[in-house]
Amino acid sequence: RKEVEQDPGPFNVPEGATVAFNCTYSNSASQSFFWYRQDCRKEPKLLMSVYSSGNEDGRFTAQLNRASQYISLLIRDSKLSDSATYLCVVRGSGGYQKVTFGIGTKLQVIP
Amino acid sequence: DVKVTQSSRYLVKRTGEKVFLECVQDMDHENMFWYRQDPGLGLRLIYFSYDVKMKEKGDIPEGYSVSREKKERFSLILESASTNQTSMYLCASSLSTGGSPLHFGNGTRLTVT
Repeated sequence: RKEVEQDPGPFNVPEGATVAFNCTYSNSASQSFFWYRQDCRKEPKLLMSVYSSGNEDGRFTAQLNRASQYISLLIRDSKLSDSATYLCVVRGSGGYQKVTFGIGTKLQVIP
Repeated sequence: DVKVTQSSRYLVKRTGEKVFLECVQDMDHENMFWYRQDPGLGLRLIYFSYDVKMKEKGDIPEGYSVSREKKERFSLILESASTNQTSMYLCASSLSTGGSPLHFGNGTRLTVT
């Protein structure tokens, strides 16, 4: 089983739609969680950290379910500019704090 | 704002050459990382450094070495470049405190011919 699993997609959604991505992780000791956005041929950029209580940033909502070991990202009112690959990232605890990336979910928002 | 700078955006090298990829960060971060990213394989960790002169192998260290003589600089070295090392190379840095995200440089696209 992969340490961090994501559906690679692509997810093709119309403008204005709501879309949700899930990501599962295997290490129950994982401490911190993030969503990154990556545009084609560019570097990943931090979209948002994911907190235990869930958090929202404008149209984006992230949630963590420790019991089931998954995190989710919800995008409301999708824009054409949301088209990108969304990477789930899990960071461990301890001195090393291993960082593991999912393969990414590709989103294409269509007019 | 964190700035992570990679020395080259595009690089073309010949098989067998020794290649140096440089990365500099300006936020006094303890942790620095080198990844490569290939289609269908995602980001794979090559090496990680948790402090000056400290380094740890990642998932795919073979054919690579690293150097961290100063806190702000982390170099990736391809001892003898091969065509299967053609890839996008991404450097990142972070604080060592729990919950700290990674900040990436804009990548070096290396082609080995």
